[in-house]
Amino acid sequence: DAKTTQPNSMESNEEEPVHLPCNHSTISGTDYIHWYRQLPSQGPEYVIHGLTSNVNNRMASLAIAEDRKSSTLILHRATLRDAAVYYCILSPRGSTLGRLYFGRGTQLTVWP
Amino acid sequence: DTAVSQTPKYLVTQMGNDKSIKCEQNLGHDTMYWYKQDSKKFLKIMFSYNNKELIINETVPNRFSPKSPDKAHLNLHINSLELGDSAVYFCASSQELRGKLFFGSGTQLSVL
Repeated sequence: DAKTTQPNSMESNEEEPVHLPCNHSTISGTDYIHWYRQLPSQGPEYVIHGLTSNVNNRMASLAIAEDRKSSTLILHRATLRDAAVYYCILSPRGSTLGRLYFGRGTQLTVWP
Repeated sequence: DTAVSQTPKYLVTQMGNDKSIKCEQNLGHDTMYWYKQDSKKFLKIMFSYNNKELIINETVPNRFSPKSPDKAHLNLHINSLELGDSAVYFCASSQELRGKLFFGSGTQLSVL
């Protein structure tokens, strides 16, 4: 499975935008990019996913580099509730998402 | 209503005991999973069931036995508990094997 690299931790102030980077230099052409987050004492929660084009939903935006070797999860206005561990995961098209390794993720701290 | 619920939330037991964790989902999904999150926070797939059939078994000791009485339930029974089994166990479900995952809030298992 292709691996991802994320910073261990990031910090933001409330109501500011947050850009969470993910490097996946060995990504293959059929790998989807998924983001999940895990709030304290909760199970992981789906955030967003994409293949090639940038994606937006009510939670966040996903910006995918043209060469697909990196991507950025964008939280447009961080809130205290966004403090969580964010996981970037690659999922080959047609595979079972459940097989994948979540990794350490990025611990996001949001300051009031 | 909680989409994926698991019980108990906390489980403290002695080495050598047998214990079960129950999981139920009311999302109408046909695939359910058990994940284990160890002390280093790595989240790994253990089992996956699709329509009550075992699909994924990721090198888990035979002491762990999942049971799916119907599509909405996936229980995890653990025999002869060991210290190394201490972890947080998450149940999850998805619509199809490649759908986005919905997680329960976890069961913290402590083996003394």
